[in-house]
Amino acid sequence: DIQMTQSPSSLSASVGDRVTITCRTSQSISRYLNWYQQKPGKAPKLLIYAASSLLSGVPSRFSGSGSDTDFTLTISSLQPEDFATYFCQQSFSTVITFGQGTRLENK
Amino acid sequence: QLLLQESGPGLMKPSETLSLTCSVSGDSISSGTYNWAWIRQSPGKGLEWIATIYYSGNTYYNPSVETRVTISVDTSKNQFSLALNSVTAADTALYYCARHSTAGGARNGYYHLNWFDSWGPGTLVTVSS
Repeated sequence: DIQMTQSPSSLSASVGDRVTITCRTSQSISRYLNWYQQKPGKAPKLLIYAASSLLSGVPSRFSGSGSDTDFTLTISSLQPEDFATYFCQQSFSTVITFGQGTRLENK
Repeated sequence: QLLLQESGPGLMKPSETLSLTCSVSGDSISSGTYNWAWIRQSPGKGLEWIATIYYSGNTYYNPSVETRVTISVDTSKNQFSLALNSVTAADTALYYCARHSTAGGARNGYYHLNWFDSWGPGTLVTVSS
């Protein structure tokens, strides 16, 4: 299976901050990488697919980049509703795997 | 608006068979080219994809459960289901059903460009003696 490593595991930031979360894969996956946001007690919600394509309705402060084995999710100006856990997920392999998550907390 | 809702037994004993159903509303499960999936989440394993059934009828399973699991669709009820036999405490998790969308072309029958774009709220399954 393709291993997914997110960093950091947790992050403290303030409203208005620029935040970057990294996802590294154990082998090249081209751009077959998706990002999700999960709030407590809720299901994950898709934000970005194919590394950098923003799902319709997702605020433009979210952006994704990267290819091969290194990917980033950036929130350009953190809003109160953005405090949540973020997961990456690869779809390159028929065995789909997720990162362990990055918990974004209010400083 | 597409809505998914899981239903399951809640509490189970080891060695029993877990049966989960996902009821889909807001669209026909057999319309378009959508695919359907089960994913689970536990504190120990995080998010784990379990299975997908494609609109073509092809199924994909996580090797970690492949020998114990079956995913199926019931178009007459607009539902899809998961059966997982011989459960153990390790199967204790929050189980989600999801729409598994694809794009682009397939290589060897697999669409590399895929994502989970609609999820149910989840149903907690606890396996305990």
